[in-house]
Amino acid sequence: DGGITQSPKYLFRKEGQNVTLSCEQNLNHDAMYWYRQDPGQGLRLIYYSQIVNDFQKGDIAEGYSVSREKKESFPLTVTSAQKNPTAFYLCASRIAGVTDTQYFGPGTRLTVL
Amino acid sequence: SQKIEQNSEALNIQEGKTATLTCNYTNYSPAYLQWYRQDPGRGPVFLLLIRENEKEKRKERLKVTFDTTLKQSLFHITASQPADSATYLCALDGDGGATNKLIFGTGTLLAVQP
Repeated sequence: DGGITQSPKYLFRKEGQNVTLSCEQNLNHDAMYWYRQDPGQGLRLIYYSQIVNDFQKGDIAEGYSVSREKKESFPLTVTSAQKNPTAFYLCASRIAGVTDTQYFGPGTRLTVL
Repeated sequence: SQKIEQNSEALNIQEGKTATLTCNYTNYSPAYLQWYRQDPGRGPVFLLLIRENEKEKRKERLKVTFDTTLKQSLFHITASQPADSATYLCALDGDGGATNKLIFGTGTLLAVQP
């Protein structure tokens, strides 16, 4: 069963704690993306990676970090430096150079208490 | 400044009618524009892509138009059904396709009444 998985679906953390959101894909896609979605706002790009061991900042990278050690995995860490981390986080992937469409995971809703 | 705008108000229509959603953009020159469907609490699902040199694209009951002069895309769902109720997002490449980053609109909530 191919696709993108994100875990967990719901995540609660105390203020000041770092938290890592998982994103795994078995679609053999080259590029992966992390977005943040807040009520009434569109998806905003946090980080993206077009190839293993390389990634670029998106529009709202401050307070976040990523790694891309394997093609299948692109974890996102929300650090304590992120001022307003409560949001719905979406991971996506695409085949670089073949299709322009992105395939999204089910999302992780992070709530910082 | 660069902006993508979609109908901010929810669109309510009767089952069987055609739903028309609008996406306007300013200060972009996209190579393509995409439409996605998003259900509550779930990730967006790709529906259609239309390139700058295409005027219209169809897929089953869906039709997308792209007017680069007006800087506007229209998304139509014909013979709408209650199952079509969802938020629809338009997205365009913000840099002429150079890096394949997508810029998303805020979405339009469509409610199809039985």
